[in-house]
Amino acid sequence: QKEVEQDPGPLSVPEGAIVSLNCTYSNSAFQYFMWYRQYSRKGPELLMYTYSSGNKEDGRFTAQVDKSSKYISLFIRDSQPSDSATYLCAGKTSYDKVIFGPGTSLSVIP
Amino acid sequence: EAGVAQSPRYKIIEKRQSVAFWCNPISGHATLYWYQQILGQGPKLLIQFQNNGVVDDSQLPKDRFSAERLKGVDSTLKIQPAKLEDSAVYLCASRRFKLLAGDTDTQYFGPGTRLTVL
Repeated sequence: QKEVEQDPGPLSVPEGAIVSLNCTYSNSAFQYFMWYRQYSRKGPELLMYTYSSGNKEDGRFTAQVDKSSKYISLFIRDSQPSDSATYLCAGKTSYDKVIFGPGTSLSVIP
Repeated sequence: EAGVAQSPRYKIIEKRQSVAFWCNPISGHATLYWYQQILGQGPKLLIQFQNNGVVDDSQLPKDRFSAERLKGVDSTLKIQPAKLEDSAVYLCASRRFKLLAGDTDTQYFGPGTRLTVL
């Protein structure tokens, strides 16, 4: 079993839709959880960083962590064509080891 | 603040040839990472440096891959000899060792080097 799993998509939604991206993990040593966005031919960039279970909101983005079920979600409200990218979820241990999921490809259609 | 620089951006070689990638991290970032990202997969850590010392190279195929970070700044990653399965994007990332007030705890990635092995 891979440590971090995501549905690879591709996911295609109309502009303005609410997007839900999901991720599961198996490594109980993860203490921090991140969502990275990766545009084509670019390196990943951090979108959201969370430490505990619960919700964290930043503008149109909400990250949700449920440690009891080892489930992580990212919600994007009012999606825009500029949100079209691959979204990588990742877990990090207390000793700074980051494990990435395979990513979900998202297309937002104008 | 300048980002992480990598070169070359693209490289095409034949199998069994050698290749080297260069990375210049963000100024002041003591921690440097090299990742391999195969198409359709997430980045996989190859090696992590703290200044010029290796912290983790458990997933580096040491029979063909080598990396160094002289003087604790720039780093090079070398593959010799290359195999078809080495075709991937090689990402370099850096992070400040001790976070300052207001810092985000994240690795900053460069644009990557896309390697194609024929």
